[in-house]
Amino acid sequence: DSGVTQTPKHLITATGQRVTLRCSPRSGDLSVYWYQQSLDQGLQFLIQYYNGEERAKGNILERFSAQQFPDLHSELNLSSLELGDSALYFCASSVEAGGAGKLFFGSGTQLSVL
Amino acid sequence: GENVEQHPSTLSVQEGDSAVIKCTYSDSASNYFPWYKQELGKRPQLIIDIRSNVGEKKDQRIAVTLNKTAKHFSLHITETQPEDSAVYFCAASNGRDDKIIFGKGTRLHILP
Repeated sequence: DSGVTQTPKHLITATGQRVTLRCSPRSGDLSVYWYQQSLDQGLQFLIQYYNGEERAKGNILERFSAQQFPDLHSELNLSSLELGDSALYFCASSVEAGGAGKLFFGSGTQLSVL
Repeated sequence: GENVEQHPSTLSVQEGDSAVIKCTYSDSASNYFPWYKQELGKRPQLIIDIRSNVGEKKDQRIAVTLNKTAKHFSLHITETQPEDSAVYFCAASNGRDDKIIFGKGTRLHILP
């Protein structure tokens, strides 16, 4: 167990819908990263927060948004869902800022868009 | 931005032989290079990392080498065992812009 909690584990929804994925980092970790994992694309970096502030953006679509709350948990919101959004979404936390430390991954949320 | 290329995408080796996975990166400012292992149906876990002030790091049967001039780094697994079968990801970070960029992964099969 990495200490990072993601809910829900599975999510099935229809095209055009909106979903929210939740992540609680390890106790004491201030950084939260979101990654999308699809079969042939590896781990695609979406966005990163540090102590409530957005610090880095990757290949995140405009239909996607995220935030980190004062208690340090984070939510990833996916809207106007398309079939191609089906993937495994991981969050990871780290005690370090700057991207120079070990990432602890949650168990992921498997999103299926039908 | 940073781009990390990883190859091969699939690698099969006989149990007991060595496996080598190679990665190249584009950002010359990158200074942190972790490797993650993801077993089937599980989360990625860090297995070894190296920082730019060293050229090689070992941990039992795994080692990582870094060539900053050529901007490439490699993972070496010796005396492979069945439990080494997994997907391995390399990554790179410059330690400043909060991004950790991953390669597309290598699926390693250990053959009996």
